[in-house]
Amino acid sequence: GAGVSQSPSNKVTEKGKDVELRCDPISGHTALYWYRQRLGQGLEFLIYFQGNSAPDKSGLPSDRFSAERTGESVSTLTIQRTQQEDSAVYLCASSPQTGTGSYGYTFGSGTRLTVV
Amino acid sequence: RKEVEQDPGPFNVPEGATVAFNCTYSNSASQSFFWYRQDCRKEPKLLMSVYSSGNEDGRFTAQLNRASQYISLLIRDSKLSDSATYLCVVNIPEDSSYKLIFGSGTRLLVRP
Repeated sequence: GAGVSQSPSNKVTEKGKDVELRCDPISGHTALYWYRQRLGQGLEFLIYFQGNSAPDKSGLPSDRFSAERTGESVSTLTIQRTQQEDSAVYLCASSPQTGTGSYGYTFGSGTRLTVV
Repeated sequence: RKEVEQDPGPFNVPEGATVAFNCTYSNSASQSFFWYRQDCRKEPKLLMSVYSSGNEDGRFTAQLNRASQYISLLIRDSKLSDSATYLCVVNIPEDSSYKLIFGSGTRLLVRP
């Protein structure tokens, strides 16, 4: 597609439920990233994919968080047993390759998750 | 020490003013540097890359000082539309590839 697409754009869920967030990167971009941004805070790195593999999962806040990517395309971020502190905007970005050279990222518009 | 540090501001300046932001980074192996702009409740968007020789894009000038490990952004002739949060971004080597680390941002308010 023309840009990075994320769905849903907004999600309200009850505490304890599982949620799945989806990201469609720009076609041909091999690198895909997930960040979290709490209200009034900076971007918190969660995980990135080079192709379908995730070299670095250290940013995932807990074992309730997992992510996968298939076909070097779509990625899903799953949060199990959601907690109120999971409320944030979850941003996905893609890049032609991981952050070397002069490649920046293109971000999607995010999924605003609210856990009530 | 944070990997990327910025003054959170806010910087409150009148239209037409020149304003400068600095950012420091901790990893001397970093190779790529960027400034992003984030408007309220929007996603970050790439403003410009930062090159060792310094680079300019219209009213915006970015510079890199590798020895001191800091990056700067200068905005000349500020416009109301420049009001936003400016994010300093640095790549961090990770195994055989890299990830980008974002600073917490510097907020700019341009007043009439």
